[in-house]
Amino acid sequence: DAGVIQSPRHEVTEMGQEVTLRCKPISGHDYLFWYRQTMMRGLELLIYFNNNVPIDDSGMPEDRFSAKMPNASFSTLKIQPSEPRDSAVYFCASSSDRGGEKLFFGSGTQLSVL
Amino acid sequence: GQSLEQPSEVTAVEGAIVQINCTYQTSGFYGLSWYQQHDGGAPTFLSYNALDGLEETGRFSSFLSRSDSYGYLLLQELQMKDSASYFCAVKGNTPLVFGKGTRLSVIA
Repeated sequence: DAGVIQSPRHEVTEMGQEVTLRCKPISGHDYLFWYRQTMMRGLELLIYFNNNVPIDDSGMPEDRFSAKMPNASFSTLKIQPSEPRDSAVYFCASSSDRGGEKLFFGSGTQLSVL
Repeated sequence: GQSLEQPSEVTAVEGAIVQINCTYQTSGFYGLSWYQQHDGGAPTFLSYNALDGLEETGRFSSFLSRSDSYGYLLLQELQMKDSASYFCAVKGNTPLVFGKGTRLSVIA
């Protein structure tokens, strides 16, 4: 298996622009998680899905953030409009167990909002 | 809510043993996980403890005491490639919540 695939690896954009991050989970995993990592706040859970359905989005910082999972093999995280404080590494992870004790992370998207 | 405490930095000598501690507060505790992350890389799973005691996987071991809300990761025969950040993560009534990470530097 290719593992969790994220794109793009790096994204540089200007404040106010829309940003879309993409994720392909491991086939057969029915849990998908979006995390954000910064030096100050560490790894924060933004939202997670089970069988393509959003279960908990309480970690989404603002209405500017939205996530979708239209099918079992694809998810997007969108920021519109983007702000400099959104600069971070965004990780997608998938898991085959409800507890999510063992998460498989993608390589992440390094987002820089200027 | 959930919170975890772990040291921010640890330095150890190649070939030595190092222990990274983690204390946690959570509701509905199920288990404690450990992840390794090299600079510029993604977190990778190392171990999971649901029950008290020591779990060994090669040079790495992980320990849990549920009554003390405490766990540790033990790295033996340290190698330069072990230089990385190590995160403990707790599974409670929500998906994994991660600590801020411990940056391990292995020196010659």
